[in-house]
Formats: sequence, structure tokens, C-alpha cells
Amino acid sequence: EAQVTQNPRYLITVTGKKLTVTCSQNMNHEYMSWYRQDPGLGLRQIYYSMNVEVTDKGDVPEGYKVSRKEKRNFPLILESPSPNQTSLYFCASSKDRQGVEKLFFGSGTQLSVL
Amino acid sequence: AQSVSQHNHHVILSEAASLELGCNYSYGGTVNLFWYVQYPGQHLQLLLKYFSGDPLVKGIKGFEAEFIKSKFSFNLRKPSVQWSDTAEYFCAVNARNFNKFYFGSGTKLNVKP
Repeated sequence: EAQVTQNPRYLITVTGKKLTVTCSQNMNHEYMSWYRQDPGLGLRQIYYSMNVEVTDKGDVPEGYKVSRKEKRNFPLILESPSPNQTSLYFCASSKDRQGVEKLFFGSGTQLSVL
Repeated sequence: AQSVSQHNHHVILSEAASLELGCNYSYGGTVNLFWYVQYPGQHLQLLLKYFSGDPLVKGIKGFEAEFIKSKFSFNLRKPSVQWSDTAEYFCAVNARNFNKFYFGSGTKLNVKP
């Protein structure tokens, strides 16, 4: 089944403790991206990647890192999480490099930073 | 920076009522436009998209949207809603020269049976 898999689904952590949210797609998609969803603000793009080893900042990249060492994986790294990073995170992928075709979304990761 | 505005944050309708959700964007260049839907407990799914051509686009489940370039708008419509349309709807814009997506803040639609 074609899908985007995120792990974990729920995560509670404390300020400053490094964490990684994984994202994997099995559709051989070129484009992958991360979003955070906050009430009243909708989805805001954090980072995106058009290909292996090619990543770029979205609208709200501060406090986040990403890497794209393999085509299928695009982990989101929070080196030193803070409470304002408490949010619902979505990973998405698209078959074209620009990401303008249909975006396939993961099920989301609810992160709470205490 | 681009922005996408969805003016209706919460809409409550009865079944069979007609729906129109507004979406306006602020980018002056050529854009790709999307509507995504998030049903309760599910992830976002594409409802419809506009790249070029006929400004009236039809999507899944009887939804359609009209691109009006002069108004920078891409409003979503459905002639007769069903209880199963209860969801949150997001308008999104992608500028042709960039690879970033901009989403609106979403509209929660509650359809009463």
C-alpha cells in the first residue's frame, strides 16, 4: 500500500532533549516536506527536499533540522526542543520534484514539549 | 511573502444546504492552487487542484472550485452538502517559481444531519 509513515504518533518530551521524528515513503517520490499544524494558523511548511541531499527552508525552519540521505526517508530533528514547538507535525511527499502534484500526507505526530 | 486567507473559520450547515468557502491569496505571479480536506482523525487528502486551463475545476465527492485571477481567489463550492462532508478544509497555494507551499488557516465545516 502506498503510504507515508511517520513515527512516533505521539511524543511527550522535555525542553532541551534532542528528538527525531521519522518519515518514510514507499512511492519513490522525489519531493518530501514537513509541516506543523497549529490552531488558527493552518499548516506551515518547515523544510522541504526536492531530491537526495537537496533540502531547503520553508516558512518556519527555526529550531529544526532535516536530512535526506536516502530517497525514501526524511527525518525531522529538533536539537533542543522548546515549548513553542509543541504542535502537530505532518510529513508529506509528492512524485514530482517541485511538489506541485498531489501531496501524500502521513498520519501526523503530536508533539508536546514540557 | 505569500499568504493565503480563509475568511470562514467555522461553518455550520444543514444537510442539503449549499456550500461556498472563500480562499484568497496574495502572490501576484502564476500559481498552482489546491484544496485539501482533513476528515476527523484522518490525514489531509487532496480534494482538487488548479494548474491552468478552465478556471472551474471539479474534484472528488461533488466539490468544485473556481479560480478568479482578478480577485486572487479560489473558492470551494458544493451544491448540496452531506453529513459526511464534516471536516476541516484547507486552501493551499504554490507559486510556479518556488517550491514552497502556503496553506490557509483552515475552515471547519460541521454538517448537521
